[in-house]
Amino acid sequence: DSGVTQTPKHLITATGQRVTLRCSPRSGDLSVYWYQQSLDQGLQFLIQYYNGEERAKGNILERFSAQQFPDLHSELNLSSLELGDSALYFCASSVGLGLLAYGYTFGSGTRLTVV
Amino acid sequence: ELKVEQNPLFLSMQEGKNYTIYCNYSTTSDRLYWYRQDPGKSLESLFVLLSNGAVKQEGRLMASLDTKARLSTLHITAAVHDLSATYFCAVVHSGGGADGLTFGKGTHLIIQP
Repeated sequence: DSGVTQTPKHLITATGQRVTLRCSPRSGDLSVYWYQQSLDQGLQFLIQYYNGEERAKGNILERFSAQQFPDLHSELNLSSLELGDSALYFCASSVGLGLLAYGYTFGSGTRLTVV
Repeated sequence: ELKVEQNPLFLSMQEGKNYTIYCNYSTTSDRLYWYRQDPGKSLESLFVLLSNGAVKQEGRLMASLDTKARLSTLHITAAVHDLSATYFCAVVHSGGGADGLTFGKGTHLIIQP
């Protein structure tokens, strides 16, 4: 157990639907990152939050959004789902920013299948 | 835009052999990471390289970093079957406190008895 908890582990949903993925960071970590892993695109950085505030956006689609709550857990919302959104979604956490964030801990991922 | 290129993308080798995976990146970075991923599993951190000339070793794996050449290598010595996995390098773009990782496409390593 890495200390980063992601739920659910598996999710199957239909095109056009909306889902929410949840991540609880490792105790003491303030930064949360979301990544998407697919066969086509590989591992891609989506978005980063630090202590409740958005810090950076990567290749995140407009149909996707995220937030980090006061208790530091984060949710990734995916809407108007398409077949191509099927992927493994990872959450990672780290202590801080910049060089203070040099250690990243990954969760076990949520496997999303859109049918 | 930061780009990370790994090669080879696929490597099949025999136990007992040595081999090197290469990771090139396109812009300045203050951190380079190597991860291992088993099929359907999460990412396991192997090495963090923070400075030019850094070399780290763990068992049969050794990683090095040349920031001037923007090149990192992961060397496998006397490979064993248990090292079969996909290996990723990842780089953080310097500055600004925004530090999402940019990953290479991964090297799928198969070690055959």
